[in-house]
Amino acid sequence: DADVTQTPRNRITKTGKRIMLECSQTKGHDRMYWYRQDPGLGLRLIYYSFDVKDINKGEISDGYSVSRQAQAKFSLSLESAIPNQTALYFCATSVQAYGYTFGSGTRLTVV
Amino acid sequence: GQNIDQPTEMTATEGAIVQINCTYQTSGFNGLFWYQQHAGEAPTFLSYNVLDGLEEKGRFSSFLSRSKGYSYLLLKELQMKDSASYLCAPMDSNYQLIWGAGTKLIIKP
Repeated sequence: DADVTQTPRNRITKTGKRIMLECSQTKGHDRMYWYRQDPGLGLRLIYYSFDVKDINKGEISDGYSVSRQAQAKFSLSLESAIPNQTALYFCATSVQAYGYTFGSGTRLTVV
Repeated sequence: GQNIDQPTEMTATEGAIVQINCTYQTSGFNGLFWYQQHAGEAPTFLSYNVLDGLEEKGRFSSFLSRSKGYSYLLLKELQMKDSASYLCAPMDSNYQLIWGAGTKLIIKP
């Protein structure tokens, strides 16, 4: 099994719908992150969490919310999806001073 | 502010050597990572430098100069499978990685 698992892998949804992307990890890392990536652009940070009681906004948090249900689980929600939220979404985990481990990504299309 | 600068795209020939440069500015510094990302896939770890100098790992080497805010990734004996984006990511004082847009490397036969 993968260390960091994202579900679903692909999703097509309609404008205005609520959607949740889920991330779970077996690495025992405290830190978890949600990024989005658009074609030709770098990773942009949406939200991050350093432990279960800690949630922080990233550079592009508008239109998104998150929930850290347990150390191993970090979910990203789009309350009312819009077409410009079409992107590739990555979850990542880390331990202080070590690199990040990424999930396989969720390709989200909003029509 | 925090800033990463690396070329947008580079082209090289199979079997050759290519050097991808990166300059950075961060709030504090706890090392610099290089990741490889194939199109549509997740980034994967390539190398980590925390002290000045060259780290070699097989066909890939990475160099760091902290005083210059400069790093490079050197890829030798290029293979077609090396066609990917290469992401330079310094780690700031809060142990968070700062991501640039990456360098898309195109390998030609």
